[in-house]
Amino acid sequence: GAGVSQSPSNKVTEKGKDVELRCDPISGHTALYWYRQSLGQGLEFLIYFQGNSAPDKSGLPSDRFSAERTGGSVSTLTIQRTQQEDSAVYLCASSTPHGSYEQYFGPGTRLTVT
Amino acid sequence: QKEVEQDPGPLSVPEGAIVSLNCTYSNSAFQYFMWYRQYSRKGPELLMYTYSSGNKEDGRFTAQVDKSSKYISLFIRDSQPSDSATYLCAMSAHSQAGTALIFGKGTTLSVSS
Repeated sequence: GAGVSQSPSNKVTEKGKDVELRCDPISGHTALYWYRQSLGQGLEFLIYFQGNSAPDKSGLPSDRFSAERTGGSVSTLTIQRTQQEDSAVYLCASSTPHGSYEQYFGPGTRLTVT
Repeated sequence: QKEVEQDPGPLSVPEGAIVSLNCTYSNSAFQYFMWYRQYSRKGPELLMYTYSSGNKEDGRFTAQVDKSSKYISLFIRDSQPSDSATYLCAMSAHSQAGTALIFGKGTTLSVSS
């Protein structure tokens, strides 16, 4: 079956602009996760959705970051007023409700803020 | 001390060698231990997961967990050039949805033919 898809694959934006990153999880996976992978920093958890609700937003690095999920499927991560330190690969993963140890990742969106 | 430590390498081996990749951790609550493989400019791909202590084998790959030492390993037998990638260990304390995985920084492996 189809895996996790993300778009765009690459995004170059100017400092101060807003960007939207999209994730389409595996069909039937109700849990959706966003991570950020920065050079030399490893994967950093950002936010988790169960269905359309986000009970855990603790990983969002600032109030410029927000995310939503509609219809229990597609999720959008929005970064407002982008800064150069936001440059990273943004990864989305999905899992079944009781299998969070089996998270399946998409290919990521490589964000470059100039 | 970070929760999960992983030597970044790089690790270079000839084709056919046995590769040992390792992680240490500090949180004794971790019960699920995963290994992901990440090719350049791709997302992480789940290779194996292990619950609690013990060994798990899948083809050329063997995962070992020693909870008493807070040490996990991934062994790759008969390594191939296609195994060249970054290997990430990941851990979690629960299986319920919403449990964020805690990752090591990854070890870069290069297998030469």
